Amino acid sequence: ETGVTQSPTHLIKTRGQQVTLRCSSQSGHNTVSWYQQALGQGPQFIFQYYREEENGRGNFPPRFSGLQFPNYSSELNVNALELDDSALYLCASSLGGASGDTQYFGPGTRLTVL
Amino acid sequence: SQQGEEDPQALSIQEGENATMNCSYKTSINNLQWYRQNSGRGLVHLILIRSNEREKHSGRLRVTLDTSKKSSSLLITASRAADTASYFCATENDYKLSFGAGTTVTVRA
Repeated sequence: ETGVTQSPTHLIKTRGQQVTLRCSSQSGHNTVSWYQQALGQGPQFIFQYYREEENGRGNFPPRFSGLQFPNYSSELNVNALELDDSALYLCASSLGGASGDTQYFGPGTRLTVL
Repeated sequence: SQQGEEDPQALSIQEGENATMNCSYKTSINNLQWYRQNSGRGLVHLILIRSNEREKHSGRLRVTLDTSKKSSSLLITASRAADTASYFCATENDYKLSFGAGTTVTVRA
């Protein structure tokens, strides 16, 4: 157990809807990164938040957005859901957003878009 | 797009045997990390090797890094049934991790 929690565990939505996924970081960690993992693939970086500011973004459209709160928990919001958004969404927290910091992953939220 | 590629895609071995998997990547890196994932759940960090290191050990794990060939290998010695999982290499640049598609390892009792 890493101490990183995610909710919900599973979620089913229909195309066009909006979804919010939540992540609580490990105690003492101020950096949260979000990844999307399609079936049979490795995780792909969506974005990272460091002390409530976006600190880098991967190749995802603007309908993927996020927030980090003062307690360093985070949300991932996806608007206008598409079938290809079906995936396991992983968040990872780390100590300071520096190179070499170990990222501790949560168990993920499995999103199914019908 | 994925930075790394693992080889082989799948590996089946007998308990007690060694498992070796390789990772190739495309661009320069700060470090390379290996993760394990059980049954589509969260990833567990196994080991990190920095770009100026060539070999690192952690328990039954041995990782090598060859920056001239842009490749790394992970060796698991004396495998156990509990080692059955998917293994991913991830390169780090600008604080973000880029993962390969993984190697699925099955350890037979």
